[in-house]
This record gives sequence, C-alpha cells and structure tokens, in this order.
Amino acid sequence: NAGVTQTPKFQVLKTGQSMTLQCAQDMNHEYMSWYRQDPGMGLRLIHYSVGAGITDQGEVPNGYNVSRSTTEDFPLRLLSAAPSQTSVYFCASSAGPNTEAFFGQGTRLTVV
Amino acid sequence: QQQVKQSPQSLIVQKGGIPIINCAYENTAFDYFPWYQQFPGKGPALLIAIRPDVSEKKEGRFTISFNKSAKQFSLHIMDSQPGDSATYFCAASSFTGGGADGLTFGKGTHLIIQP
Repeated sequence: NAGVTQTPKFQVLKTGQSMTLQCAQDMNHEYMSWYRQDPGMGLRLIHYSVGAGITDQGEVPNGYNVSRSTTEDFPLRLLSAAPSQTSVYFCASSAGPNTEAFFGQGTRLTVV
Repeated sequence: QQQVKQSPQSLIVQKGGIPIINCAYENTAFDYFPWYQQFPGKGPALLIAIRPDVSEKKEGRFTISFNKSAKQFSLHIMDSQPGDSATYFCAASSFTGGGADGLTFGKGTHLIIQP
C-alpha cells in the first residue's frame, strides 16, 4: 500500500516564485490536511479538508492555497514564496474525525 | 496561544529506563489525544491514542496516563530500547460536529535511549 504520497521530496525556490506541493492518498480517506514543521515548533496546521470540494483554514494559512477536486488529491499551492515558508511540509489523511492520521514522508522546501 | 504544552524538550535515558513525557492542554473541547513518533527524515506515525473516558491505556511497552481534571496526559515507555530514540509529539483534537479541524501538536520531545 502506498498510503500518503508527497512530491517532490525536496525543492528549492527563489523568493516570489510559486509552486504546488502534491499529496495523494489511496486509502479513500475523506479527511486530508497539510502541516508545516519547523524546529522547536512542532507541527502546525495550514489547511484541511473534510471531503471533495470542502476546505478550510488551519492555524497558519497565510501565503498558501488549497483545493480538493477529488477524494485522492489535496495539493498545496504557494502563491509567492517567501523565506519564512522554508520548512518541512507534511500531508496527512484520516478516515474521519478523531481517527488515526497517516502522514506522508514530507517535502523539504527551502526558499532563498 | 499554545494549546498543547509538551515537556521536556529533550530527554536522555539509559536502556531499560522509563522515559516519561508530559503534555498539558487548555481547550476542554479536546476529546482525542494521540501520541506520534517521528524518526529523522520520516513523517510522524501514530503510536498510541486515548479518549477522555479512560484514565490509562497500554499498548505493548507504551502507556498513556490521562488526568481529565488536571487537563494533563503523559506517555511512559517501559523497558526503553535504543530503537525508541526518536522525536515524540503529543497532540489533541476535537470533533466539532460535521468537521474535524485537524490536530494541535505539542512542540515535541527529542528522546535518546543510551545503550
């Protein structure tokens, strides 16, 4: 089972560039979410989705955009990259609220 | 405002010892408390979780103790092994009727088990 797949694994962007971080899951989970992990900060929720066509903001949504057109995919878009967005990004999926969240392997993003 | 406070930041224990990691929360709407384990270069993986209707849960060498009145919960690792060396995160979430606004994580504990 692939589980939650994130691409790319590593990315370097210049300030002002845009890009999309891809996330796909093959477990037919309704709930998907994006977190960023920074040293000493734990994981912070960026955006989440409870089903296709439904998204909402988490704790740190500024500078990011999401959409959910299918159950399987939940891409995260950086509109205009800033050095403050240098981080490791994790996508997660779960079958429902308060159930096990499965995380991808992460995307390490550096903005220079 | 940090809703889940985790301590200590780092912990070194000898093999066979019992590391204890503590978390405290503020939001009384939280009703699901998982612990995640993360190895370098990997995503977090669920270790064990508890709901507030029980005070303790054991899975293998891992035990969660939960104190609802104090709004605290802790992870104990029995007979710790060098392979348990990892970063541990506590988390909390609430089911808000029709939605699930994700997990609120503590800042993590870097655990080293010395041989």
